[in-house]
Amino acid sequence: NAGVTQTPKFRVLKTGQSMTLLCAQDMNHEYMYWYRQDPGMGLRLIHYSVGEGTTAKGEVPDGYNVSRLKKQNFLLGLESAAPSQTSVYFCASRRWGYTFGSGTRLTVV
Amino acid sequence: KNEVEQSPQNLTAQEGEFITINCSYSVGISALHWLQQHPGGGIVSLFMLSSGKKKHGRLIATINIQEKHSSLHITASHPRDSAVYICAVAYNNNDMRFGAGTRLTVKP
Repeated sequence: NAGVTQTPKFRVLKTGQSMTLLCAQDMNHEYMYWYRQDPGMGLRLIHYSVGEGTTAKGEVPDGYNVSRLKKQNFLLGLESAAPSQTSVYFCASRRWGYTFGSGTRLTVV
Repeated sequence: KNEVEQSPQNLTAQEGEFITINCSYSVGISALHWLQQHPGGGIVSLFMLSSGKKKHGRLIATINIQEKHSSLHITASHPRDSAVYICAVAYNNNDMRFGAGTRLTVKP
């Protein structure tokens, strides 16, 4: 009963590099979300998905892209990483309450 | 849009004390969530409520829709309750705004 699994847990990128964060859930939830958490601020929604094949922008979508090709997976991509994208990224899925992944700590240097 | 304000930002208590964390918001919402973020970073959903009061073990959450205010209470606090407690308000299914969190430290 894994819940929501995020990979990788840690990553250091150089400015301009690209990467993909993977979120996988095994609860058959329709709704999935990507958030970023920065010091002193609340979690902010980057993108979300209401079902397989659908994605939508959240509060802070610039510089990120997402895909939901399979119901259980929600991918977050950074095409050209910037230092401002240094953050902790959380994935979550939802039926009624939210289930969060353990987070990915990303540093862009 | 709505801001979610939590108070206090930091709270230190002695084991056994009764804890109250407050959350205020400014516009109508569909639901309010209380989350717990452990020192290791993981986030756990504690409560989702749209009215009244909910209780789970030593944790109690209340919401006053008219006053746009919610409280999270911890009775008989224990060092293992040390964590960041986050209030989040939902406008609809997918628009949720989060408070900055309250860092609770319970000393033995």
